[in-house]
Amino acid sequence: NAGVTQTPKFRILKIGQSMTLQCAQDMNHNYMYWYRQDPGMGLKLIYYSVGAGITDKGEVPNGYNVSRSTTEDFPLRLELAAPSQTSVYFCASQAGSYEQYFGPGTRLTVT
Amino acid sequence: KQEVTQIPAALSVPEGENLVLNCSFTDSAIYNLQWFRQDPGKGLTSLLLIQSSQREQTSGRLNASLDKSSGRSTLYIAASQPGDSATYLCAGFFSGGYNKLIFGAGTRLAVHP
Repeated sequence: NAGVTQTPKFRILKIGQSMTLQCAQDMNHNYMYWYRQDPGMGLKLIYYSVGAGITDKGEVPNGYNVSRSTTEDFPLRLELAAPSQTSVYFCASQAGSYEQYFGPGTRLTVT
Repeated sequence: KQEVTQIPAALSVPEGENLVLNCSFTDSAIYNLQWFRQDPGKGLTSLLLIQSSQREQTSGRLNASLDKSSGRSTLYIAASQPGDSATYLCAGFFSGGYNKLIFGAGTRLAVHP
């Protein structure tokens, strides 16, 4: 099993550009999450999904959108990138035991 | 408001020392608590998961405890090694509200030879 995979690993965006961060898992988990981690801080929840077709906002959803058309994939869309969105983004999936498994992250810089 | 706090923010110890990392939380309605390790520039690796019905979990040199009544969890690392150097994060999954982990800011551990 590859576990949770994320692409790209790094990206530099100009202010106002848009992009999609990809996340996929092969563990057949229903629950998936997007977090952002700012330097020296814990992780903040952006969006989550409890299954295909069902998504909901977390603590910091502004400036982001998600979709969940399949169990495996949970992409995160950034529209009109702003410097405040410079961060490391992590995708995670959750097993039935509530244990969460994380991808390697995407390091995003907006200049 | 549900909050998770980790103290200290950073810790430096000599190799071979036994050490304790602390995690506290404000809501006793905790469903489980998970400890993660994060190496610089990497993702999070799950170390231990303690369900609310359990008091502790062990994996190798790691032992994590959970005390719901006092709102505390500790991660004990025995005979620390330089390879243990990383940031350790705890996260609580709380009953009520929506499904989410609440993370502490982490303890950055350095084990020097």
